[in-house]
Amino acid sequence: DVKVTQSSRYLVKRTGEKVFLECVQDMDHENMFWYRQDPGLGLRLIYFSYDVKMKEKGDIPEGYSVSREKKERFSLILESASTNQTSMYLCASSFWGEGEQYFGPGTRLTVT
Amino acid sequence: QKEVEQDPGPLSVPEGAIVSLNCTYSNSAFQYFMWYRQYSRKGPELLMYTYSSGNKEDGRFTAQVDKSSKYISLFIRDSQPSDSATYLCAMSAQETSGSRLTFGEGTQLTVNP
Repeated sequence: DVKVTQSSRYLVKRTGEKVFLECVQDMDHENMFWYRQDPGLGLRLIYFSYDVKMKEKGDIPEGYSVSREKKERFSLILESASTNQTSMYLCASSFWGEGEQYFGPGTRLTVT
Repeated sequence: QKEVEQDPGPLSVPEGAIVSLNCTYSNSAFQYFMWYRQYSRKGPELLMYTYSSGNKEDGRFTAQVDKSSKYISLFIRDSQPSDSATYLCAMSAQETSGSRLTFGEGTQLTVNP
């Protein structure tokens, strides 16, 4: 079974803090993705990576950065958290050229 | 206009009912179509995966794709309370780098015992 794990299920941070969300997959997938999910807006792609040290912007990259130093690990960084970044964050992974993405359990981030 | 439109519901049906979930899309380049199921406070899990037009059946679930109408459907027969979840359609174009998916908003389904 494909396993995608995320570092925290629930996280509460203060405005202005630097926040790290980490994702690890164990299936040797080339592609990794970060989404946020909000009511009425669905899943929106923040960033994705198709190889180590490679990254591409998704639909809503503003206020976020990412890091992929190892194939199995993809980190999402909020440089200075703001209240409008309160959301559910989902990580996913897939093989190159395949549409099937496998998701982690999500991190519910609250910024106060 | 969104690339993928999905009625958010909520949809409430009695146990045993046939459920029809639908998405329309505008990008004619989409070739791969998926349905994900997401239980409350969990990540989405892949339910059905189809390529191009046609039907695919898996147990009580049937996925249907009509590329000429840019319309996809998921049918659930003999629905069960355990089917209560949010269902998301997703699709991608063959040429897309990194297999990037575009998701619908999701339809919240409740099956009442």
